[in-house]
Amino acid sequence: DIQMTQSPSSLSASVGDRVTITCRASQSIVTFLNWYQQKAGKAPNLLIYETSSLQSGVPSRFSGSGSGTEFTLTISGLQPEDFATYYCQQSYSVPVTFGGGTKVEIK
Amino acid sequence: QVQLVQSGAEVKKPGSSVKVSCKVSGGTFSSHGFNWVRQAPGQGLEWMGGIIPILGSTTYAQKVQGRVTITADESTNTAYMELISLRSEDTAIYYCARGDLRWILDVWGKGTTVTVSS
Repeated sequence: DIQMTQSPSSLSASVGDRVTITCRASQSIVTFLNWYQQKAGKAPNLLIYETSSLQSGVPSRFSGSGSGTEFTLTISGLQPEDFATYYCQQSYSVPVTFGGGTKVEIK
Repeated sequence: QVQLVQSGAEVKKPGSSVKVSCKVSGGTFSSHGFNWVRQAPGQGLEWMGGIIPILGSTTYAQKVQGRVTITADESTNTAYMELISLRSEDTAIYYCARGDLRWILDVWGKGTTVTVSS
């Protein structure tokens, strides 16, 4: 199975900050990497698919980059509604696997 | 707008089984895949398996293989996940998520809480 490792596991940031979350795969997954946002008590929500494609309705302050084994999710100008937990997921091979999550908290 | 409507919360005894349903409302059924992802209390997301009705194929995570069965009923636009031989470690929220052949999970149900307790 492909292991997905996210860092950091949590971070504190202020409204307006630029935030970067990293996801590393245990082997190359080319660009088959997706990002989800999960707010407390809610189901996850797809933000970005295949590394850098923004899901319909997702604000443009979210962006993704990377390839191979290292990927990043960037939030440019953190908004109050962005405080949540973010998960990466590889869709290169089955079984699909998720990273451990990064909790973005208010500083 | 597509919605995935899941069945209600369940409380089960260890050793018993549970079957959770996921009905597709407002969208096509057989042209997509359906996955089950669970989340134990305070933990991350764990993919359990998925089904692609149009291909008639299912795939399961090794951790639950042998205990989980995922099916789909195209006549009622409903996917199911059955988990047998329940243990306390199976206590979690179980999410149904629509996917495609690229395993991108673009629509999620609200989740079904399954509690396993004696």
